[in-house]
Amino acid sequence: EVQLLESGGGLVQPGGSLRLSCAASGFTFSSHAMSWVRQEPEKGLEWVSGISDSGGKTYYADSVKGRFTISRDNSKNTLYLQMNSLRVEDTAVYYCARRVGYGNVDYWGQGILVTVSS
Amino acid sequence: QSALTQPASVFGSPGQSITISCTGTSSDVGGYNYVSWYQQHPGKAPKLMIYDVNDRPSGVSNRFSGSKSGNTASLTISGLQAEDEADYYCSSYTSSSVLFGGGTKLTVL
Repeated sequence: EVQLLESGGGLVQPGGSLRLSCAASGFTFSSHAMSWVRQEPEKGLEWVSGISDSGGKTYYADSVKGRFTISRDNSKNTLYLQMNSLRVEDTAVYYCARRVGYGNVDYWGQGILVTVSS
Repeated sequence: QSALTQPASVFGSPGQSITISCTGTSSDVGGYNYVSWYQQHPGKAPKLMIYDVNDRPSGVSNRFSGSKSGNTASLTISGLQAEDEADYYCSSYTSSSVLFGGGTKLTVL
């Protein structure tokens, strides 16, 4: 069974940093591109970042470019999102997502809440 | 990276069919046959319902179908059931990112 388990969320002040982790199991992690998708409270989905299966290619939404860094450790079956210079508007539930094909997400984590507030 | 355009809400009665539209540009929806649709119930993670415009993952009911014409993709749900009431999001691959629509709330009356 495919499982994606996020951790590392919480409350942080504006300008602060957090690192999200996503522990993957139930599939060959190194064979899949992965993404982070977020959802502000009562709002829609927003793609945040993506990474290729090897980790050699990374992609970012304009809203986080230069502040967030996606990475992965295929030996640990873990995906990461380093979030720096956090803003109030980054407050959202962050989902770890397994990509299949071009842009499709076939498995999602349960989501983890990041709250940026003073 | 503008979001794709979806209607905010759609209504239907049990047994009826509804269609949700998703409008983008030639750089996203119109440029690739990589449109997907997700269903999200309150408090739950999204679920993939359609990928690559009109393909269904295993386990998804054949009451769900997708199509595309030009820069607009559509999700059709036939034989509406109470459990179809949810938020629906379209998504499109682009050369450098993935775009989502703003979401459509489907209410089954």
